[in-house]
Amino acid sequence: NAGVTQTPKFRILKIGQSMTLQCAQDMNHNYMYWYRQDPGMGLKLIYYSVGAGITDKGEVPNGYNVSRSTTEDFPLRLELAAPSQTSVYFCASSYSMTLPSEQYFGPGTRLTVT
Amino acid sequence: AQTVTQSQPEMSVQEAETVTLSCTYDTSENNYYLFWYKQPPSRQMILVIRQEAYKQQNATENRFSVNFQKAAKSFSLKISDSQLGDTAMYFCAFMKPTNDMRFGAGTRLTVKP
Repeated sequence: NAGVTQTPKFRILKIGQSMTLQCAQDMNHNYMYWYRQDPGMGLKLIYYSVGAGITDKGEVPNGYNVSRSTTEDFPLRLELAAPSQTSVYFCASSYSMTLPSEQYFGPGTRLTVT
Repeated sequence: AQTVTQSQPEMSVQEAETVTLSCTYDTSENNYYLFWYKQPPSRQMILVIRQEAYKQQNATENRFSVNFQKAAKSFSLKISDSQLGDTAMYFCAFMKPTNDMRFGAGTRLTVKP
């Protein structure tokens, strides 16, 4: 299994541009998550999904959109990128709702908005 | 809202010694889960240990153990026999049953030879 994969690894955007960060997992996990990690800080939850077709906002959802058309994929869309969105973005997945299920993290995408 | 506080931005320990990282959290929930994650320079997030709030017994994983004080809302991590490979950022995290997870700001641990 590849686990959780993210593309791209790095990206530089100009202010106002849009892009989609891709995330895929091959572990048949129901739950998927998007976090951002600002320098020197912990991770903050942007959006999460409990299954295909179901998404919900996390702690910092403004400026982002997500969709979950399949169990495997959970793309994160940035519309009208702003410098405040410069961060490292992590995607994660987990199996169970009822257990304290470990979240498996992807390697991250470093995004710079200039 | 749930908040997680790690009051030690940086700590250091000599190799083979023991170190304790602090974490407190604030919640009105009764059922929740707590985690410690390690993030080495590679940026990969690695689960170190987890604790269910309904369990009174403290979790242990080899050299890693926790001191979970539910009434005090405290969840500290003890690393015994510290190794150079333990050098990393350590994040305490709180998770509601809905899998909504919140992280602390992290503690940078350096293990010195």
